[in-house]
Amino acid sequence: DAKTTQPNSMESNEEEPVHLPCNHSTISGTDYIHWYRQLPSQGPEYVIHGLTSNVNNRMASLAIAEDRKSSTLILHRATLRDAAVYYCILRKGNYGGSQGNLIFGKGTKLSVKP
Amino acid sequence: GAGVSQSPSNKVTEKGKDVELRCDPISGHTALYWYRQSLGQGLEFLIYFQGNSAPDKSGLPSDRFSAERTGGSVSTLTIQRTQQEDSAVYLCASSSSGQGYSSTQYFGPGTRLTVL
Repeated sequence: DAKTTQPNSMESNEEEPVHLPCNHSTISGTDYIHWYRQLPSQGPEYVIHGLTSNVNNRMASLAIAEDRKSSTLILHRATLRDAAVYYCILRKGNYGGSQGNLIFGKGTKLSVKP
Repeated sequence: GAGVSQSPSNKVTEKGKDVELRCDPISGHTALYWYRQSLGQGLEFLIYFQGNSAPDKSGLPSDRFSAERTGGSVSTLTIQRTQQEDSAVYLCASSSSGQGYSSTQYFGPGTRLTVL
């Protein structure tokens, strides 16, 4: 799987939007961009994924650059519960999904201030 | 519905003892993964089961580590002759498979292993 680069940490104020960047300059045409997050003392949880078009779900939005070499996870209104480590992961696509283990990097530790 | 469950939630053992960690995946999920997370470190892949295929053991750090998956459901990760460096949180995840499947992995709460 291709490599991703994320800032080590970011800070946000509660109820403000948060933009978490991810660079993946070596992404291939079949790589999907996945985001997971890990709340303190919990296992990781899926947030969102996409291929080329921007994606929205109840948790977040994913904005993908036109050249696909970078993406941004957007939390529209950060809450204290959103404080977590956010991981950007590339996965080879197959029939819209992919199998095999996730390769986690260091991720971005998001702190949310009240 | 029920998520991935793991037991025990905490395990303290003495160096040199064997331990077994259990994972109950989401019902119907054919793919099951084990990861571990050492203090302050990222998540490290250990082993992957997919249906009846031979497991992908490429992440196991030594031959002291082994895992089984019985009946395509419950999995047990066994660590023999534990060492202090085995202390970590061991996480299990499962996902569905097949054409049109979801690649989302659902993680359990983990087992915190402490080797004294």
